[in-house]
Parts: sequence; C-alpha cells; structure tokens
Amino acid sequence: DGGITQSPKYLFRKEGQNVTLSCEQNLNHDAMYWYRQDPGQGLRLIYYSQIVNDFQKGDIAEGYSVSREKKESFPLTVTSAQKNPTAFYLCASLPRPQAHHNEQFFGPGTRLTVL
Amino acid sequence: AQSVAQPEDQVNVAEGNPLTVKCTYSVSGNPYLFWYVQYPNRGLQFLLKYITGDNLVKGSYGFEAEFNKSQTSFHLKKPSALVSDSALYFCAASLNTNAGKSTFGDGTTLTVKP
Repeated sequence: DGGITQSPKYLFRKEGQNVTLSCEQNLNHDAMYWYRQDPGQGLRLIYYSQIVNDFQKGDIAEGYSVSREKKESFPLTVTSAQKNPTAFYLCASLPRPQAHHNEQFFGPGTRLTVL
Repeated sequence: AQSVAQPEDQVNVAEGNPLTVKCTYSVSGNPYLFWYVQYPNRGLQFLLKYITGDNLVKGSYGFEAEFNKSQTSFHLKKPSALVSDSALYFCAASLNTNAGKSTFGDGTTLTVKP
C-alpha cells in the first residue's frame, strides 16, 4: 500500500526539550509539507520541500527545523524555541510541486503535548 | 494575499436532510479548489476538487460542490445527510504559482443528528 506514515501518534515533551516527528512516504512524491493544526485555526504551513536537499519556510517556521536528505523522509524537529508547541501536526505530499491541481496526500498526524 | 473563508464554525442537520457547508475564497488568478474531510485524530482525506470546466463537481461519498466564480464561492453539498458524515470539513485553494502550497479555511464541524 502506498501512503504517508507519521510517528509517533502521540508524543509528550517536557519544556525545554527538542523532539523530532517522523514523516515517511512511499508514493515517490517530490514535494512534502508540514502543517500545524490548532482548534478553530485550520491548518498552518510550517515548512515545505519541493525536492531533496531543499526546503523553505512556511508561514509559522519559528521554533521548528526540518531536513530532506532522502526523497521519502521529511522529519520535523520542534525545538525549545517554539513557545507553544502543543498541537496536532500533519505531514502531506504532492507528486510534484508544480502539480497544484492535484490534491495533497496526508499522513495520520502526530499529537504533541508539552507537559 | 490568498485567503479561504469558511463562515460557519458549526453546521447541524438532521439525517436525511440536505446539507451545505460554505466556502468563499479571495485569490488573484484562477485557483484550484478542494474539499477535504477529517475524522477525529486522523489526517485529512480528499473529497473533491475543481480544476476547470463544469461548475458542479461530484466527489466521494455522494458529496458535490458548486464553483461560482462571480461569488468566489465553492460550497460543499449533499442531497441527503448521513450520521456518518459528521466530521470536520476543510476547504482549500491552490494557485499555480505557489509551489504546490495550499491555503486552508479554518474548518467547519458538521454534525448530523439521527
């Protein structure tokens, strides 16, 4: 089965810790995206990557970092600089960044809670 | 700036009645428009999209949406609601200059009561 996997499903972090959220896809998609979802605020773009070894900041990149060393993988690190990291994080992909007429494929999400 | 608005946080309908979830957009150029559905603690699932052509688009699970360029709207509709349609619905817009990025509305919670 092709798709996007995210792990872990639930993650608890103490204040001051960095944590890394995993996103893996076997769809052979070039473009990958990270969104943050908060109640009543819809999805906000954190970072995106159009191709391996390249990524750009989205609308709310502060306190987050990413890497794209492999086509299949786009991990997101939530650093201690992120003031309010408790949220639901969603990873998505597109076949190509130019394929804006295509729908995005979403992973199942990771719920991060800061204790 | 590109924006998508879903004016209703909550829509309540009785099972068997028609439903409408509203979406309006504000973008320059010709956007591609999408509807997604999200069940609790899950990712988004694609329902339907408008690219070009016929203004009435049919999608999964009996949903359809009507693109209205003059009103810049893309409302989601279903003739007869099911209890299982209860979920969070997102409208999204994408421009061909946006590196594949989409702008999402804030979501509308649909509750279908038996």
